[in-house]
Amino acid sequence: GAGVSQSPSNKVTEKGKDVELRCDPISGHTALYWYRQSLGQGLEFLIYFQGNSAPDKSGLPSDRFSAERTGGSVSTLTIQRTQQEDSAVYLCASSPQGNTIYFGEGSWLTVV
Amino acid sequence: QQQVKQSPQSLIVQKGGISIINCAYENTAFDYFPWYQQFPGKGPALLIAIRPDVSEKKEGRFTISFNKSAKQFSLHIMDSQPGDSATYFCAASPASNTGKLIFGQGTTLQVKP
Repeated sequence: GAGVSQSPSNKVTEKGKDVELRCDPISGHTALYWYRQSLGQGLEFLIYFQGNSAPDKSGLPSDRFSAERTGGSVSTLTIQRTQQEDSAVYLCASSPQGNTIYFGEGSWLTVV
Repeated sequence: QQQVKQSPQSLIVQKGGISIINCAYENTAFDYFPWYQQFPGKGPALLIAIRPDVSEKKEGRFTISFNKSAKQFSLHIMDSQPGDSATYFCAASPASNTGKLIFGQGTTLQVKP
């Protein structure tokens, strides 16, 4: 069975450019999460989507970060005007409501 | 109050030995305490999890011990194997959203043959 799929797996971008990271959750999972993993900050929660409810954006580090989830399935995390401190692995996870979350392998972002 | 503190940062164990990783938390609203295992280049994978109504949970060679009064929990890996070499993260989350995890800083485990 397919797990959480993320693309691109690796992205190198220039400082100041915008990037989009995509997540395909496990089929049937209603909850979707984005986390960031960096050397200095460890694993941090960014945003949570559950069905048609308003997303929990409490972990987004700045207004340069946004995410959307279309049709209750695929999600896109957008980082505008990237900075070097945005370099990290961006992990997507999905879950049947209220249960274990399953992580994808991440999108490795390098801002140069 | 949102932090989860994990120790040690790194751990070297001989094959067949016991690996022990400890975590402490402050927020009494936390209700779900999972451990994740992560291999290089991969996403974290759930290893074992516990809720505060039990003091211990065992799955194969992996055991979580939970001390609610001390707000501490630990992972014990019995008969450690070289294939267990990975980074381990403890985490905690509230009952309202078990997927909204606060992670510890991670422990890099090396099991020597």
